[in-house]
Amino acid sequence: DVKVTQSSRYLVKRTGEKVFLECVQDMDHENMFWYRQDPGLGLRLIYFSYDVKMKEKGDIPEGYSVSREKKERFSLILESASTNQTSMYLCASINGWDKYYNEQFFGPGTRLTVL
Amino acid sequence: AQTVTQSQPEMSVQEAETVTLSCTYDTSENNYYLFWYKQPPSRQMILVIRQEAYKQQNATENRFSVNFQKAAKSFSLKISDSQLGDTAMYFCAFMPNTGTASKLTFGTGTRLQVTL
Repeated sequence: DVKVTQSSRYLVKRTGEKVFLECVQDMDHENMFWYRQDPGLGLRLIYFSYDVKMKEKGDIPEGYSVSREKKERFSLILESASTNQTSMYLCASINGWDKYYNEQFFGPGTRLTVL
Repeated sequence: AQTVTQSQPEMSVQEAETVTLSCTYDTSENNYYLFWYKQPPSRQMILVIRQEAYKQQNATENRFSVNFQKAAKSFSLKISDSQLGDTAMYFCAFMPNTGTASKLTFGTGTRLQVTL
């Protein structure tokens, strides 16, 4: 089974801090995604990556950056955290070359609170 | 750009009854996939069921089935014999069938409560 893990389940940071959210998958998937989930808004895509060192903006990239130095790891970075970035952050991965399945596998999520 | 609409923010159903969650979408694509994902209170999102747009037959997975109406751009989820473990947020999602894995576009979700 695919396993997607995220470094923290709960995180509390202060305004202006630099925040790193880590995601690791163990199934050699090419594609990885970062979403944020807010009540009434569903899941919105922040950034995604098709391969190592490649990244593309999603629908709401402002205030975020990402890093993918290794295939299994995809990091989301909040350069200067703000209170409006308080949210649930979900990481997902998918095998880019096995279109038959087309299932994204999700991590457990990180609940980030910015004070 | 694609949009996915779930018009029912919350629903409730009694155990053993049947419930239908609605989803509509808008796209100019002709070939795509549709999904229902479930997010229980423990938060891990899991796939419930998928439908390929070029297949006319509605997908089924045990107690879960869909009613896929391509012309109407509708993709509803029916849960039969509801169980307490079905209590969760349910998200409808769209993925175009491009050459490589694509982004998912999610609806806003329906919170389903199964009661005794």
